Amino acid sequence: KAGVTQTPRYLIKTRGQQVTLSCSPISGHRSVSWYQQTPGQGLQFLFEYFSETQRNKGNFPGRFSGRQFSNSRSEMNVSTLELGDSALYLCASSTIAGERYEQYFGPGTRLTVT
Amino acid sequence: GEDVEQSLFLSVREGDSSVINCTYTDSSSTYLYWYKQEPGAGLQLLTYIFSNMDMKQDQRLTVLLNKKDKHLSLRIADTQTGDSAIYFCAESLSTVSGGSYIPTFGRGTSLIVHP
Repeated sequence: KAGVTQTPRYLIKTRGQQVTLSCSPISGHRSVSWYQQTPGQGLQFLFEYFSETQRNKGNFPGRFSGRQFSNSRSEMNVSTLELGDSALYLCASSTIAGERYEQYFGPGTRLTVT
Repeated sequence: GEDVEQSLFLSVREGDSSVINCTYTDSSSTYLYWYKQEPGAGLQLLTYIFSNMDMKQDQRLTVLLNKKDKHLSLRIADTQTGDSAIYFCAESLSTVSGGSYIPTFGRGTSLIVHP
């Protein structure tokens, strides 16, 4: 079974631009969640999508948005980039298999804002 | 507010047991998680425990939960050099199957295993 894939793996953008990151979950997983990891703030939860609906949302400004498609693939968008948005963005796909909760992460997209 | 705290570093000798500790403040937390992150990689969910449990064992990993003290620990038996990584503790009201999956993470504990 293929793992969670994220594209692109590395990205350099300029302040004020916008960026779209993509995440393809494990086949059959309907939940996709996004996280931001920075040295200063650590790991923070952005949002979670299930069946094309945003089900949970962390404490991030409206510049951060996302969506999920019918095939469960998800994208997140950051508009009007700021230097502080430089981070590793991780996505994870999850499912409940019987009584067991499973969650698998992608390798992340490293975003650098200059 | 919610807060999860961990010590930053732990150094152990190969073959010894490692114990990584975590404290959390949200008494309504229902799920507590341990994640592993190796250099340059994403996260790996190692194990999780539901708050009505005291202990969970999975091969070399043992999770202990003291709900009264809001203290969670991860014990790694027979620690190997391949266990060197950053370990994150996290808590949430539910898993992604529920409507309150908003995890809060600790800052991570760097485990260094000496040969």
